[in-house]
Amino acid sequence: AQSVTQPDIHITVSEGASLELRCNYSYGATPYLFWYVQSPGQGLQLLLKYFSGDTLVQGIKGFEAEFKRSQSSFNLRKPSVHWSDAAEYFCAVGPRDDKIIFGKGTRLHILP
Amino acid sequence: ETGVTQSPTHLIKTRGQQVTLRCSSQSGHNTVSWYQQALGQGPQFIFQYYREEENGRGNFPPRFSGLQFPNYSSELNVNALELDDSALYLCASSWASGTGNYGYTFGSGTRLTVV
Repeated sequence: AQSVTQPDIHITVSEGASLELRCNYSYGATPYLFWYVQSPGQGLQLLLKYFSGDTLVQGIKGFEAEFKRSQSSFNLRKPSVHWSDAAEYFCAVGPRDDKIIFGKGTRLHILP
Repeated sequence: ETGVTQSPTHLIKTRGQQVTLRCSSQSGHNTVSWYQQALGQGPQFIFQYYREEENGRGNFPPRFSGLQFPNYSSELNVNALELDDSALYLCASSWASGTGNYGYTFGSGTRLTVV
């Protein structure tokens, strides 16, 4: 079955600290992988995506993610978080850019 | 270039009623997808419309139906509303070609509450 697991429901980090959000997926074929961010009352904004090539993907707002096929993981990282990064983050997988399957999300809280 | 717009932003309906949600796709996009996001959950794919026809469907009952119009805008209709239909409904538009879908862009959603 195709699925995405985000093991951390909530994560709290201090402003300026580094961040890693975990994502594991189950998918039969070579997947497209995504990270989206959702601020309260807003739609989803694409941070980055991976479908082939370099396994370290750079995205917007200083985020990056690393695809590890052997671990079926696609973890999101940022070296130094800002208060404006507080939001809900969703990892997703799909056959291409659409009809994607989302994880349940990780709520990121930032301490001043 | 306008983004994806959804209307209304909020809606309250009574169990058993019917509801229609609307989505205007981003300029230049020809495909619309609908997702349901229950509280505390990730979005779940309902269906996609391409060239005015359904082009893929998730695990949702037939009382969830849709339309796409010649201008690529779309409607999501839900009949016989149930309390569990309370959710944020998101629309996403994209440009579909022979090589894939591009520019997947989400709207801000319609918050539906069923009482």
